[in-house]
Amino acid sequence: DQQVKQNSPSLSVQEGRISILNCDYTNSMFDYFLWYKKYPAEGPTFLISISSIKDKNEDGRFTVFLNKSAKHLSLHIVPSQPGDSAVYFCAASSGTYKYIFGTGTRLKVLA
Amino acid sequence: EAGVTQSPTHLIKTRGQQATLRCSPISGHTSVYWYQQALGLGLQFLLWYDEGEERNRGNFPPRFSGRQFPNYSSELNVNALELEDSALYLCASSFLSGGALDTQYFGPGTRLTVL
Repeated sequence: DQQVKQNSPSLSVQEGRISILNCDYTNSMFDYFLWYKKYPAEGPTFLISISSIKDKNEDGRFTVFLNKSAKHLSLHIVPSQPGDSAVYFCAASSGTYKYIFGTGTRLKVLA
Repeated sequence: EAGVTQSPTHLIKTRGQQATLRCSPISGHTSVYWYQQALGLGLQFLLWYDEGEERNRGNFPPRFSGRQFPNYSSELNVNALELEDSALYLCASSFLSGGALDTQYFGPGTRLTVL
């Protein structure tokens, strides 16, 4: 049973436009969410996080939105750059230090 | 500052053999996490060690085991290897501070291939 789902395996966006990556979860006990970015042959790197007491967190070009009632979060990248091309994982935790990861979305930003 | 390091980069074994994967956390980090990323799947949580003890374990059989040494480095052992154990194994480390959720920093991974 996949508790964290990223239903789009891939996404292509033109450089300069907005990239929106989506993530759905089923466990209402999750209260901390993160996004990781992974380049080929490298480990995932932390991008941005959000706690369940907030509905938005912004860091430069990256914004994460959380809709608790819909059990949905999304990562917005504006403007998208070719260097953003990577696999993006969302992860959720219920405070047990164990992150549950989604299957990832491969973002390709076209120059 | 050096990041999380893992060795070897690649490991090829045959069915039934044992594999040992190693991880060195970021200096000052006391927690080490192991994840498996099989083809088409997300990162699956395997094990969490902190201060030398196993704190949590994912839904994996007992032939997946590990340990954490006094210098906080860690080993993951996989016994009686099966073909489906072929995957990328990622190690992450974090510094626990008063129970706060800390960001996990990942190593580059070890790609295990079981023939």
